[in-house]
Amino acid sequence: AQSVTQLDSQVPVFEEAPVELRCNYSSSVSVYLFWYVQYPNQGLQLLLKYLSGSTLVKGINGFEAEFNKSQTSFHLRKPSVHISDTAEYFCAVSAHDMRFGAGTRLTVKP
Amino acid sequence: DVKVTQSSRYLVKRTGEKVFLECVQDMDHENMFWYRQDPGLGLRLIYFSYDVKMKEKGDIPEGYSVSREKKERFSLILESASTNQTSMYLCASSLYRDRAYEQYFGPGTRLTVT
Repeated sequence: AQSVTQLDSQVPVFEEAPVELRCNYSSSVSVYLFWYVQYPNQGLQLLLKYLSGSTLVKGINGFEAEFNKSQTSFHLRKPSVHISDTAEYFCAVSAHDMRFGAGTRLTVKP
Repeated sequence: DVKVTQSSRYLVKRTGEKVFLECVQDMDHENMFWYRQDPGLGLRLIYFSYDVKMKEKGDIPEGYSVSREKKERFSLILESASTNQTSMYLCASSLYRDRAYEQYFGPGTRLTVT
């Protein structure tokens, strides 16, 4: 079975600063990787996904993530965050089925 | 755009009541899922369905049942609600069973059992 670990439960950051949200996974088979975002009082929506090919994946709202097979990681990054990026972010890995991490709450302060 | 709707955003029920949560998707997706979301635990799969009248247990099916009589509708049933079922419930759908397909989520139902 696969599992996902999001290393930070909360990440506070100032507006216009860069941010990295960390995600590690374990699986005995090849996986597909996803990042979802959940804004307050909403469901989850897809930010980006890695299926194959280039290990650097670009998503919506200026986010990108890099798949690192040797380190079994899929960290999410944004070079300059906005107040509107305040949300909870979930990493997910899909092998036999989809597994979600516990989430990272990103708070962007003015 | 895929639209997944859930029948209620907020629901308050009493212990022992039978509770129905309804989910409808409008894009002819094969798969539908029910999760519960709790702080610090992320999303945990309760049940999923890959076809009409088909269902499979997820990680935490105890105390829940599901029904899928039509392709677009997937219902979660709490046979006898208990306080430990107070949670956010999220419904999702995906196009095919292939694991490469992302899931589309509804807005969630926040259920409180008193």
